[in-house]
Amino acid sequence: QSVLTQPPSVSGAPGQRVTISCTGSDSNIGAGYDVHWYQQLPGTAPKLVIYGNTNRPSGVPDRFSGSKSGTSASLAITGLQAEDEADYYCQSYDRRSGSNVFGPGTKVTVL
Amino acid sequence: QVQLQESGPGLVKPSETLSLTCTVSGDSMVDNYWTWIRQPPGKGLEWIGYISYSGGATYNPSLRSRLTLSLDMSKKQFFLKVTSVTAADAALYYCARGWGNTQGTWFDPWGQGTLVTVSS
Repeated sequence: QSVLTQPPSVSGAPGQRVTISCTGSDSNIGAGYDVHWYQQLPGTAPKLVIYGNTNRPSGVPDRFSGSKSGTSASLAITGLQAEDEADYYCQSYDRRSGSNVFGPGTKVTVL
Repeated sequence: QVQLQESGPGLVKPSETLSLTCTVSGDSMVDNYWTWIRQPPGKGLEWIGYISYSGGATYNPSLRSRLTLSLDMSKKQFFLKVTSVTAADAALYYCARGWGNTQGTWFDPWGQGTLVTVSS
């Protein structure tokens, strides 16, 4: 059972905007620790798409954006494309457990 | 740009020790946290621990008693040992480079992963 919660799945048509929430507590996100997001395409290793809540690594399309407020964070994908179909994981630090923690993952389906 | 490659036995017997190596190429190992993360088949990600370039290791508290991380800067490799393995340790094991500040650590890039099966 992860200390971060994500919806199991979200879906959208090509071109639409989808958002994935990551909800924590005052022991992790609410304590000021940053949230990072990873994309895992089928059969591949995870890839960083957002770090430090809002920052995009070089090479990640600007269709991906992140935000954080209080004890939650969100990843938004605008102009959804077929290649965005993947599992997405949020990650932060939890001071109660003293561990880096991942959310359970959200499957994004492009209709 | 840096690349990471995991290697090690794909099959470990219950109660024995799992040993994996991650080889780093394309960049220095200085100033980062060299990380292990695992993913049981069909499940989510679990952070195992990381070791800094200076040799200090930080472990997932839930696994700490069975873990040892080490590194060899001259060979550009870092290592994971997990003792007393059970079926619960069967997973795809990834190594990754960790970047950190006071607000936490993120992981980029990742190796392709190596599958470890636990069976007698």
